[in-house]
Amino acid sequence: GENVEQHPSTLSVQEGDSAVIKCTYSDSASNYFPWYKQELGKGPQLIIDIRSNVGEKKDQRIAVTLNKTAKHFSLHITETQPEDSAVYFCAASRRGGSEKLVFGKGTKLTVNP
Amino acid sequence: KAGVTQTPRYLIKTRGQQVTLSCSPISGHRSVSWYQQTPGQGLQFLFEYFSETQRNKGNFPGRFSGRQFSNSRSEMNVSTLELGDSALYLCASSPGGYPDTQYFGPGTRLTVL
Repeated sequence: GENVEQHPSTLSVQEGDSAVIKCTYSDSASNYFPWYKQELGKGPQLIIDIRSNVGEKKDQRIAVTLNKTAKHFSLHITETQPEDSAVYFCAASRRGGSEKLVFGKGTKLTVNP
Repeated sequence: KAGVTQTPRYLIKTRGQQVTLSCSPISGHRSVSWYQQTPGQGLQFLFEYFSETQRNKGNFPGRFSGRQFSNSRSEMNVSTLELGDSALYLCASSPGGYPDTQYFGPGTRLTVL
């Protein structure tokens, strides 16, 4: 089955710096890759997603890139702010008539003021 | 639109008991997925329901079951609780036209003593 690896597990940056989180997936049939942000005591919140027919997608300070050949996708956050501090999860979903998401283990991002 | 709601938010049970968790999806969404989140295993897919039918199932024992009603509300049941079932149980809803964006609820925190 699908396996999603996420790195790093923890990331500490200074406010205003950029943060990059990387994920790899194993199933070449996966074609949908969302990123979620989870704050303490809350459920995961979708921040951006990308489908396999697109190589890059940007939404203000957040961007995601996808390399289908390498089975690799990344989250880029620019001009980080303290409120970006949270746990970020990548996920992958494959074709097959189901909404099943396979998640990475998460990255705890800390933005220091 | 109101988001995904889950009840109860917190639950304490003892080993051997059973528990039922409830999820109300976003209005108009027909797919409901359930995930278990633990520090050790991360986010793991339990099952997905679409139009009252189980469309996919994760690798959990038969003690974990679910159902969906005609109004798309869903319940999951865990019988004969074990200590290892302590976790945050998350429900996510989507329109159902795979692959769709999944929106998560706040979760139910289950503690088994």
